[in-house]
Amino acid sequence: SAVISQKPSRDICQRGTSLTIQCQVDSQVTMMFWYRQQPGQSLTLIATANQGSEATYESGFVIDKFPISRPNLTFSTLTVSNMSPEDSSIYLCSVPDRDTYEQYFGPGTRLTVT
Amino acid sequence: KNQVEQSPQSLIILEGKNCTLQCNYTVSPFSNLRWYKQDTGRGPVSLTIMTFSENTKSNGRYTATLDADTKQSSLHITASQLSDSASYICVVGYSSASKIIFGSGTRLSIRP
Repeated sequence: SAVISQKPSRDICQRGTSLTIQCQVDSQVTMMFWYRQQPGQSLTLIATANQGSEATYESGFVIDKFPISRPNLTFSTLTVSNMSPEDSSIYLCSVPDRDTYEQYFGPGTRLTVT
Repeated sequence: KNQVEQSPQSLIILEGKNCTLQCNYTVSPFSNLRWYKQDTGRGPVSLTIMTFSENTKSNGRYTATLDADTKQSSLHITASQLSDSASYICVVGYSSASKIIFGSGTRLSIRP
């Protein structure tokens, strides 16, 4: 299994500012996923971050709005840029298990934009 | 279109009772189906994972079934406890198996 931590756990931000969310994994992983969970909704994949290459973004998400860094095999950051109230969500990072279909999730970062 | 639909959207039951949550999917090519439990303010935690050849899998009081022919799955919770109050999410893996689709979840509330 993998243990994932995220910082911050929650934040309240003003419109137009940016927030960087950190994700730390206790083991080396090739792929890391970033998800958004809007209030009352299920998870939506934002992007897949592979170490040493550009992140792959899903339809509807762009690098200018959600830049991602992946400096090593245990760490990644997601920045939510130029925030608006519509960005208020829980942001989760996730890693797949190497041997099974299992997927492990971080505790999430609850973002509120005012 | 690949879709995962869950029912009911929400459910309230008394502590000690059993309940069954449903998941229907239209995903191709199917690879695996997972049930996750998500407590409020937490990330999802895996309960069961089933592949095409498996039709039932248990994890304590949680039992998942899979009918690949009808593309339906259910999660049965036995002797519910207050700590079972959470959202239960059905997730289907398809294609290369690294692709997954999340259902919208069932919000379960257990009342004492």
